[in-house]
Amino acid sequence: DAGVIQSPRHEVTEMGQEVTLRCKPISGHDYLFWYRQTMMRGLELLIYFNNNVPIDDSGMPEDRFSAKMPNASFSTLKIQPSEPRDSAVYFCASSFGLLQREVRHNYGYTFGSGTRLTVV
Amino acid sequence: DAKTTQPTSMDCAEGRAANLPCNHSTISGNEYVYWYRQIHSQGPQYIIHGLKNNETNEMASLIITEDRKSSTLILPHATLRDTAVYYCIVKTGTASKLTFGTGTRLQVTL
Repeated sequence: DAGVIQSPRHEVTEMGQEVTLRCKPISGHDYLFWYRQTMMRGLELLIYFNNNVPIDDSGMPEDRFSAKMPNASFSTLKIQPSEPRDSAVYFCASSFGLLQREVRHNYGYTFGSGTRLTVV
Repeated sequence: DAKTTQPTSMDCAEGRAANLPCNHSTISGNEYVYWYRQIHSQGPQYIIHGLKNNETNEMASLIITEDRKSSTLILPHATLRDTAVYYCIVKTGTASKLTFGTGTRLQVTL
């Protein structure tokens, strides 16, 4: 498996523009997570999905942020409109569900390489 | 989830064992100890986890004290490529959310 795939790797956009980050999880993983990392706040969980359904979006900072998972192999995180304070590295991660973790002895979350977003 | 306390930074000579401590004095009986690391500019990587028994895999060993209030991650022969931030996280096996603290920045030197 190619792992969790995120695109783009780098994104530079102007304030006010819409930004869409993309993630392809590992096939067979039931959970998908979006994290944001900044120097000031570290790694923060924004939202996570189970079987394509959003379970907890309490970490989404504002209504400007939205995430979707239309199918098991694709998720997007959208920021509209973007602001300079949204500049960060955004990571996507996926994992097996509880039963599969035990069956496969695979307990960790697999993270993608991240998207570095710069809003100017 | 229980709170964890880790030193901010540590140094280790290449080839020596790196012992990274973690305190989790408020851990509950059903909470596991997980370790992840993040090498610069990469996403976090799962290392190992355990409940109460010591665990070992190809990457590291995890030693959990008998009262489970602290643990130590051991990298038996550290290399320069082990330079990273190491996160100790406590959570239940069923909990899906993984909450990261500030971790320990391990610097492996020649």
